[in-house]
Amino acid sequence: AQKITQTQPGMFVQEKEAVTLDCTYDTSDPSYGLFWYKQPSSGEMIFLIYQGSYDQQNATEGRYSLNFQKARKSANLVISASQLGDSAMYFCAMREYSNAGGTSYGKLTFGQGTILTVHP
Amino acid sequence: DTGVSQDPRHKITKRGQNVTFRCDPISEHNRLYWYRQTLGQGPEFLTYFQNEAQLEKSRLLSDRFSAERPKGSFSTLEIQRTEQGDSAMYLCASSRTLGGYEQYFGPGTRLTVT
Repeated sequence: AQKITQTQPGMFVQEKEAVTLDCTYDTSDPSYGLFWYKQPSSGEMIFLIYQGSYDQQNATEGRYSLNFQKARKSANLVISASQLGDSAMYFCAMREYSNAGGTSYGKLTFGQGTILTVHP
Repeated sequence: DTGVSQDPRHKITKRGQNVTFRCDPISEHNRLYWYRQTLGQGPEFLTYFQNEAQLEKSRLLSDRFSAERPKGSFSTLEIQRTEQGDSAMYLCASSRTLGGYEQYFGPGTRLTVT
């Protein structure tokens, strides 16, 4: 079963408008983390924002905010005031904890991604 | 903080050849991860190191793949007898142990097997 689902293969937005990128997740662990990464055509994964499963408030980082609805298992990314440089692939990812070698660590499971195109 | 670096950035090889990639994590990060990303997909976890110990390997990592982190600093990923299905972007990421929820990614190595 898909753990991270991004249902929008592509999204278009006008410059200076806001856009919401959808992400739903599936886990039975009470402790997990949700991430959004941006991947421009150069290929590097750029961290945007993080939300912990126990965080009471939605995360915000500048123009990025994460709309966390725990009961619905959704973690949508909202980009306000879109810029031309926001055009890229966006990935939602979930960190679940694994135990290995006596320590707990988190590996990321990524969704399929959403290509965002910002029009002037 | 110079970021995660990977070398080479691009590699073209013929089927059956061996290739090796290198990852240099952020210096104070003792956790290191390898992911593979095929065209149009999100990255998939391959393996994880805590210092020099390889603590988890995905079932995606066949016997032809081996990864090392000999001194707990840089890491190498070797693919033996490459196949066309190995063509992908190989991404390395690192993080701290304590308070380090974020994984910082390198620019990736794009492998093309002809």
